[in-house]
Amino acid sequence: KAGVTQTPRYLIKTRGQQVTLSCSPISGHRSVSWYQQTPGQGLQFLFEYFSETQRNKGNFPGRFSGRQFSNSRSEMNVSTLELGDSALYLCASSLVTGGAVEKLFFGSGTQLSVL
Amino acid sequence: QKEVEQNSGPLSVPEGAIASLNCTYSDRGSQSFFWYRQYSGKSPELIMSIYSNGDKEDGRFTAQLNKASQYVSLLIRDSQPSDSATYLCAVNLYDQGAQKLVFGQGTRLTINP
Repeated sequence: KAGVTQTPRYLIKTRGQQVTLSCSPISGHRSVSWYQQTPGQGLQFLFEYFSETQRNKGNFPGRFSGRQFSNSRSEMNVSTLELGDSALYLCASSLVTGGAVEKLFFGSGTQLSVL
Repeated sequence: QKEVEQNSGPLSVPEGAIASLNCTYSDRGSQSFFWYRQYSGKSPELIMSIYSNGDKEDGRFTAQLNKASQYVSLLIRDSQPSDSATYLCAVNLYDQGAQKLVFGQGTRLTINP
């Protein structure tokens, strides 16, 4: 069974630009969560989608948004990029039992550098 | 108070010894607890999950949970150099009626040959 696939693997952008990251979950997983990882802050929760609905959102500005498609694939968008957005963005998929997100399986991540 | 707290380390342990990693969490309603291992430059991988008070063993790994003390730990027996990594504790927390998996900062573990 294929794992979680994230594209692209690396991105270099300049301040003010926008970026879209893509994530394909493990087949059969309907929940997709996004995390930002930086050396100083660790893994920070961005949002979680289940059946095309955002169920939970972390403490990030509105410049960070996402969506999920009917095939469970998800995209994350960051508009008006700032230097501080440079980070590893990780997508994780999960089976959902009783509505609860359980074990997360991570993709390889997208390393975003904002210059 | 952070939702999930870990000692960031680094924790240095000689090869063959027991490595002990600790984690505390703030939400008494949490029901699911996980340990992830992250090698440098790689993404986190799940190594243990625990849901009930007590110990859960899987090979050289033992997870321990004490909900009354809001404490979860991971023991690695017979530590190997390949165990050198950052270990992340994750806890399922309720927030505004929805659940999310929140991670601690991670403990960097080094096993010395």
